[in-house]
Amino acid sequence: AQSVTQLDSQVPVFEEAPVELRCNYSSSVSVYLFWYVQYPNQGLQLLLKYLSGSTLVKGINGFEAEFNKSQTSFHLRKPSVHISDTAEYFCAVSANSGYALNFGKGTSLLVTP
Amino acid sequence: DGGITQSPKYLFRKEGQNVTLSCEQNLNHDAMYWYRQDPGQGLRLIYYSQIVNDFQKGDIAEGYSVSREKKESFPLTVTSAQKNPTAFYLCASSMRSSYNEQFFGPGTRLTVL
Repeated sequence: AQSVTQLDSQVPVFEEAPVELRCNYSSSVSVYLFWYVQYPNQGLQLLLKYLSGSTLVKGINGFEAEFNKSQTSFHLRKPSVHISDTAEYFCAVSANSGYALNFGKGTSLLVTP
Repeated sequence: DGGITQSPKYLFRKEGQNVTLSCEQNLNHDAMYWYRQDPGQGLRLIYYSQIVNDFQKGDIAEGYSVSREKKESFPLTVTSAQKNPTAFYLCASSMRSSYNEQFFGPGTRLTVL
């Protein structure tokens, strides 16, 4: 089975500062990795995904993530955050032969002026 | 505009009552999913369906039931057997060719009074 650990439950950051949201996964097989964003009282929106190929993945809204197989990590980064990036961020993993997405518990990003 | 709709957005129920949450998609996706979200818990899979007239239990199926009579629809019934039903419920769907990339609806917030 696959599992995800999001290492920070809350990340406060000032506007225009860089941010990194950490995600580690556990799996005995090859995996697909995803980052989703959730704004208050809304569904989840896909930010980016790693399926294969280049380990640096670029997504929407200026976010990017790097797949590191040796460290079993998939950290999400943005060089300069905006107030509008305030949201809950979820990392998810699945086996590339399966159906299920296993989600982390989420990281709440709070951007302040 | 293609997408996933969930209704109602807010739902109130008295203890002991069954209630059905609606999920409809016009993305022509084969697979559909129901997740439950509680604060600080991430998303947990309740049921999923890969094709019409077939569905499987997820990690927390007890107290819930589903049906999949049409490709576009995957309603979830929260029964009186569910001990703690107050939560945010999210429906998702994915294509057969890419099971793992899931698209989410806006969610239904259920409150038991």
